[in-house]
Amino acid sequence: KAGVTQTPRYLIKTRGQQVTLSCSPISGHRSVSWYQQTPGQGLQFLFEYFSETQRNKGNFPGRFSGRQFSNSRSEMNVSTLELGDSALYLCASSLFRGHEQYFGPGTRLTVT
Amino acid sequence: GQQVMQIPQYQHVQEGEDFTTYCNSSTTLSNIQWYKQRPGGHPVFLIQLVKSGEVKKQKRLTFQFGEAKKNSSLHITATQTTDVGTYFCAVNYGGATNKLIFGTGTLLAVQP
Repeated sequence: KAGVTQTPRYLIKTRGQQVTLSCSPISGHRSVSWYQQTPGQGLQFLFEYFSETQRNKGNFPGRFSGRQFSNSRSEMNVSTLELGDSALYLCASSLFRGHEQYFGPGTRLTVT
Repeated sequence: GQQVMQIPQYQHVQEGEDFTTYCNSSTTLSNIQWYKQRPGGHPVFLIQLVKSGEVKKQKRLTFQFGEAKKNSSLHITATQTTDVGTYFCAVNYGGATNKLIFGTGTLLAVQP
């Protein structure tokens, strides 16, 4: 089976812009979670989608949003980018909610 | 955001020495998972523990779930340079949310 794929792999944006990141889960996986990873804050949970519905949300401002499509592919959007949004954004899929997660390679976002 | 404490934050060992990282929660857990992230890579699932007092082994790695299901440990016997990376626990409190919360991680450095 193909693993979790994320696009783009690298992105440079300026403050105030918005960005959309994409994640394709492993075939058959219906749960997709997003994480923000920074050196200082570790792995921070953003949100989880299952069957096109957001099931859980982390403590991030409303500028961070996401969605899941009927084929389980997911996107996350960050509007009005801030310097502090620079991070590695990881997507993970699992067969069932709360089960072992398979991570994608991540999207490295740099905000200048 | 929500995080779970892991200790130590960082450990430097000589190749051949043992290594242990601990994951502690103040609340009873439904299950706990362990992940390894190599430098520059993404987290990779290692194992899941579900039962009180459960002990599982994978070659030189031993995983243990506490009797009260509030803590867990990962022990590596005779470390090798391939063990380098950050080890994360991910806890699941169960219930309706079924959300995975990642620990702060322990960075392991192995000197040959």
